[in-house]
Amino acid sequence: NAGVTQTPKFRVLKTGQSMTLLCAQDMNHEYMYWYRQDPGMGLRLIHYSVGEGTTAKGEVPDGYNVSRLKKQNFLLGLESAAPSQTSVYFCASSSGGRGTDTQYFGPGTRLTVL
Amino acid sequence: AQKITQTQPGMFVQEKEAVTLDCTYDTSDPSYGLFWYKQPSSGEMIFLIYQGSYDQQNATEGRYSLNFQKARKSANLVISASQLGDSAMYFCAMGNSGGSNYKLTFGKGTLLTVNP
Repeated sequence: NAGVTQTPKFRVLKTGQSMTLLCAQDMNHEYMYWYRQDPGMGLRLIHYSVGEGTTAKGEVPDGYNVSRLKKQNFLLGLESAAPSQTSVYFCASSSGGRGTDTQYFGPGTRLTVL
Repeated sequence: AQKITQTQPGMFVQEKEAVTLDCTYDTSDPSYGLFWYKQPSSGEMIFLIYQGSYDQQNATEGRYSLNFQKARKSANLVISASQLGDSAMYFCAMGNSGGSNYKLTFGKGTLLTVNP
């Protein structure tokens, strides 16, 4: 099992450009998440999904959109990138949505917006 | 609101010795989970160990154990027989089961350095 995979691993964008980050999991998990990690701030939840075809906002959703067309995939989109979106992005998945369910993370995507 | 506090920005330990990484938490929910993740310099987030709020015994996973003191709201990670490969950032996180609390709340992390 590959677990949770993310593409790309690195990306440099110019301000105003758009891009999509892809997350895939092969654990048949219902729940998927997108977090961002900034220095000194830990991880913060951007958006999440409780199942195929559903999405919901996390604590820092502005400037991002997501889609979950297939159970195994969760896409994060930046329509017009800003320097404040320079960060490391992590996707995670879990079998359940309770706070006691373990979330498994992908390897991360390092995004720089110039 | 949920909060995780890791008071040790950095820790040093000699190879083969044990080390304790501190984590305190704050929540008003009776049901919650506590997690520890390891982030090596390569960047991935690796799940290490889990403790449920209703678990009577401290969790153990190989060389990792979680010293859970519910009354003190602490969930310290103990690494026994440290290895050079244990050098990494360690994050404590909490999940809550009430309402739509799907996110994990993370602490700011502790950077562990294992010296030969």
